Amino acid sequence: AQTVTQSQPEMSVQEAETVTLSCTYDTSENNYYLFWYKQPPSRQMILVIRQEAYKQQNATENRFSVNFQKAAKSFSLKISDSQLGDTAMYFCAFMKPYSGGGADGLTFGKGTHLIIQP
Amino acid sequence: GAGVSQSPSNKVTEKGKDVELRCDPISGHTALYWYRQSLGQGLEFLIYFQGNSAPDKSGLPSDRFSAERTGGSVSTLTIQRTQQEDSAVYLCASSHPADRGLNSNQPQHFGDGTRLSIL
Repeated sequence: AQTVTQSQPEMSVQEAETVTLSCTYDTSENNYYLFWYKQPPSRQMILVIRQEAYKQQNATENRFSVNFQKAAKSFSLKISDSQLGDTAMYFCAFMKPYSGGGADGLTFGKGTHLIIQP
Repeated sequence: GAGVSQSPSNKVTEKGKDVELRCDPISGHTALYWYRQSLGQGLEFLIYFQGNSAPDKSGLPSDRFSAERTGGSVSTLTIQRTQQEDSAVYLCASSHPADRGLNSNQPQHFGDGTRLSIL
């Protein structure tokens, strides 16, 4: 079974600062997918960024980038030039490759509550 | 609609009653997932449908929980004889079928969830 650990229950930074959210995971799989989801108070889970384990290049989406260290099983999220609208719960998630059967759901960490201060 | 739609948005019911939660996925998404989000347990995966078929139901918390999907579209999650520990937000997600040629999972798109409160 996979586990995902987010060691920072809450973080607070000033607007425009850069913040890094940490995530580690444990798996015996060699090929898998990692995601960061954002959940604002509206409850909807919004995909922020994804990374395929077989790709060495770190994924980037505008102000969001990841530092993927496969050997260390680490997948941190960096948010540059943080904005008030970035305030939300952030969840790191793991998924095995599609297998055609079995449990194909996401395994989530406990989340980090990120607060952007004006 | 453009996104995953879940109903009701909120549900309050008495312990022992049955409840039915509905999920309408994005059009064309054959994969559908149910998750439960609670304070004590975080986000838990419950069940996955590919089309109308759920290959593995072992993620459901107990035999009071069941889920079905008909016509490859709408899914319902039913909880019988509800207990207070069933109180949670139930989230549904859908995705395109995985592209097996590229061994690539498609990202899941989530609905707003149903907040279930058992009195």
